[in-house]
Amino acid sequence: AQSVSQHNHHVILSEAASLELGCNYSYGGTVNLFWYVQYPGQHLQLLLKYFSGDPLVKGIKGFEAEFIKSKFSFNLRKPSVQWSDTAEYFCIGGATNKLIFGTGTLLAVQP
Amino acid sequence: EAQVTQNPRYLITVTGKKLTVTCSQNMNHEYMSWYRQDPGLGLRQIYYSMNVEVTDKGDVPEGYKVSRKEKRNFPLILESPSPNQTSLYFCASSVTGGETQYFGPGTRLLVL
Repeated sequence: AQSVSQHNHHVILSEAASLELGCNYSYGGTVNLFWYVQYPGQHLQLLLKYFSGDPLVKGIKGFEAEFIKSKFSFNLRKPSVQWSDTAEYFCIGGATNKLIFGTGTLLAVQP
Repeated sequence: EAQVTQNPRYLITVTGKKLTVTCSQNMNHEYMSWYRQDPGLGLRQIYYSMNVEVTDKGDVPEGYKVSRKEKRNFPLILESPSPNQTSLYFCASSVTGGETQYFGPGTRLLVL
């Protein structure tokens, strides 16, 4: 079955700590992968996406993700988090004419 | 400005009273979809539409209806709402289903 898994449901970090959120996908064919962020009370916004090409993708606000085909992974990273990064993060896979959602990771950054 | 709009943003209703949540996009996208977001369950797709007059069920379609008479609009209809439909609803649009989605601001629904 097609699925996207996010390993961490809740992550708590202090400001300036490094962040890595795990995401694994399980489906074949065309693989489009996205990370979206949802700040408290807001809608989902695109952080970055991978369709093809360079497997290291840079997004907004200093986030990046690496597509590793052999590991079916697309982990999100940020070298130094800020309090304003407190949000819920969704890894989403795009297959033909549908999206497959991970369950989300709630990140809390303590000042 | 490219955007997806939803109305209303907040709605409190009672069991059985029909309601419609509107969704409109101004990007000429062919693909539109509805999701509900519940704590611990992430986002689940309710219905989607690949083009005008073409709609299909997502993962949790029970209790919902949709229509796509025009490209820009994709209303979500709850014919007889029940308390288990209390949730946060998002509409989204994209060029095709597997590509970058543009999400609306969300509609928070409470069914008493």
